[in-house]
Amino acid sequence: EIVLTQSPGTLSLSPGERATLSCRASQSVSSSYLAWYQQKPGQAPRLLIYGASSRATGIPDRFSGSGSGTDFTLTISRLEPEDFAVYYCQQYGSSPGLTFGGGTKVEIK
Amino acid sequence: QVQLVQSGAEVKKPGASVKVSCKASGYTFTSYGISWVRQAPGQGLEWMGWISGYNGNTNYAQNLQGRVTMTTDTSTSTAYMELRSLRFDDTAVYYCAKGGELRYFDYWGQGTLVTVSS
Repeated sequence: EIVLTQSPGTLSLSPGERATLSCRASQSVSSSYLAWYQQKPGQAPRLLIYGASSRATGIPDRFSGSGSGTDFTLTISRLEPEDFAVYYCQQYGSSPGLTFGGGTKVEIK
Repeated sequence: QVQLVQSGAEVKKPGASVKVSCKASGYTFTSYGISWVRQAPGQGLEWMGWISGYNGNTNYAQNLQGRVTMTTDTSTSTAYMELRSLRFDDTAVYYCAKGGELRYFDYWGQGTLVTVSS
């Protein structure tokens, strides 16, 4: 099973700043089957990025994903007030398990 | 528009079973799988398993093998997740999501809170 490790655990930033979130896999993620989700309190997760770098429908272009193999990054170019949330990476290409990372909380500084 | 509507909250005793439903609409149910994901209070997301909407093939998380069963009813575009021998640490919000192996989760249900309490 591929283990995904996200860092940092918490990111304290101000609106307008740039956020860089990391997701490291214990082994290579095949064909970049790597997604990022945003979750706000009391809500279901929302898909942001799939295929490591493709934005989902309706996602603003301030969100971008990059990386391949074992190292992936989610970047939010300029934080808006609605972007403060928890972010999860997920690999969906490898059986037996489709794993999630532990999450990064982006909080207001 | 795509929607996944889940059944309501449940309270169960330890050792009991729970069955959560997820009714899909707005897309061809048999063209995509449904995954189940749970989230314990204050914790992260845990993938539980996946069922093919096409042929009912399943893939369960190793730690739930033997306790979980996922099924579908293609006539009503509904997926089901049954978890047996419930324990206190099964208390969580359970989500269904459209997607699975080789497919990202692009739509999610609203979540179903399952509370295991004596």
